[in-house]
Amino acid sequence: QQQVKQSPQSLIVQKGGISIINCAYENTAFDYFPWYQQFPGKGPALLIAIRPDVSEKKEGRFTISFNKSAKQFSLHIMDSQPGDSATYFCAASMWTNAGKSTFGDGTTLTVKP
Amino acid sequence: SAVISQKPSRDICQRGTSLTIQCQVDSQVTMMFWYRQQPGQSLTLIATANQGSEATYESGFVIDKFPISRPNLTFSTLTVSNMSPEDSSIYLCSVGRDTEAFFGQGTRLTVV
Repeated sequence: QQQVKQSPQSLIVQKGGISIINCAYENTAFDYFPWYQQFPGKGPALLIAIRPDVSEKKEGRFTISFNKSAKQFSLHIMDSQPGDSATYFCAASMWTNAGKSTFGDGTTLTVKP
Repeated sequence: SAVISQKPSRDICQRGTSLTIQCQVDSQVTMMFWYRQQPGQSLTLIATANQGSEATYESGFVIDKFPISRPNLTFSTLTVSNMSPEDSSIYLCSVGRDTEAFFGQGTRLTVV
C-alpha cells in the first residue's frame, strides 16, 4: 500500500512558466512534508518543507500549499528555469524523525528554454 | 547540515557475490538510514541503523539479504548479499539532523 502518491510522473514546462506537482498522503500520523530535488548521479537534497499547522510556505520561487483536510500538498515552482530540470520527490515523515521518510514516486521536470 | 560520504560510488558485480557499501558522516548521529532507489523509481527505506543495537528492517527487507553494521555514531555499512540482477539499484545512506534529512550521493550497483 503506497502511502504517498505523487503526480504527474513527468512534466514539461516552458521557461518562465509555473510547474505544479501534487502529492497525497494517507497516514494522518505524518506531520512533516518535505520536497526533495534530485539531479542525475546525486542524492536527493531538501528543497522546502512544511508542517501541517500552516497552509502555505514560500521560499523564493518555491511554494508548498498544504490542505490538511484533503491530505494533499503541492509544490509550485514559479518562473521555472532550465536549471530547475530535475526529479522532484515529495515525502512524508514524523517531525521528530525526518530521516525516516516515505517518498512519492517522483516527478521528472523538464524546463524548456 | 551533514556531509555524507559513500563508498563505492558505483560497482558492477557478478551474481551470487556480495558487496559492502560504506557510509561516513561528518558528525555524530543517532540514527542512520539506508534506502534503495531502483532505476527510475522512488526511494524505499531498507532499514534504520542505530549504534549499539540491531538494525530495524522495513517490510520486504531481511537481515540475511541486507546485513547492516553500525560500529559507531559516524559510520555504517550495508551489505547486499548473494546478489541477483534484481538488486541492481542505487543504494543511499541518509541521516536526519533537526528536521532535515541528508543523503549521500549514492552507490550505483549493477549486478550482471
